[in-house]
Amino acid sequence: GQNIDQPTEMTATEGAIVQINCTYQTSGFNGLFWYQQHAGEAPTFLSYNVLDGLEEKGRFSSFLSRSKGYSYLLLKELQMKDSASYLCAVEGGGNKLTFGTGTQLKVEL
Amino acid sequence: GAGVSQSPSNKVTEKGKDVELRCDPISGHTALYWYRQSLGQGLEFLIYFQGNSAPDKSGLPSDRFSAERTGGSVSTLTIQRTQQEDSAVYLCASSTQAGTEGYTFGSGTRLTVV
Repeated sequence: GQNIDQPTEMTATEGAIVQINCTYQTSGFNGLFWYQQHAGEAPTFLSYNVLDGLEEKGRFSSFLSRSKGYSYLLLKELQMKDSASYLCAVEGGGNKLTFGTGTQLKVEL
Repeated sequence: GAGVSQSPSNKVTEKGKDVELRCDPISGHTALYWYRQSLGQGLEFLIYFQGNSAPDKSGLPSDRFSAERTGGSVSTLTIQRTQQEDSAVYLCASSTQAGTEGYTFGSGTRLTVV
């Protein structure tokens, strides 16, 4: 079976750093994705990890530990526009993504 | 086109009626996926098409749901005898075969069954 866990909600301050964690137990592993979804909009691709370690892309970084079934998304220099839902998704067997329920991030002044 | 196009963007239908949702993927993307998202829920996998291979229908919730992809491009998701629990946003996504760039999602069809 597939199980992906992430916190339901997080709140952070503009300009700060926030880390959103994701743990997974899946049958098969071909990669882990992070998506951003603003209310009423489609999810948009942020990052992809298939090997252990940190992938950095501007203000966003994503980390993966396959042995621990663990990933995190790190957002630096938070901006108000970063308020959104962040979805962790794992590509297991069958070439399809299984999504977590998402972490709703609220950025405050 | 430049992105994944879905139509209609909104659909209100009466319980028991059939509906068809359309998805036009990015040109050249061989993989096409249908997901649905209910309020406050994660994305639920429905069906996956890859090239000319038989589709993976393992996520379809009942036999009232079906989908086809014609000519390896446009896909239609059909829901027969709609029920109120079918109300959700239906999202289509496409990707290259490798999939390492992630899926590109369409804006979705918001289906409301009354």
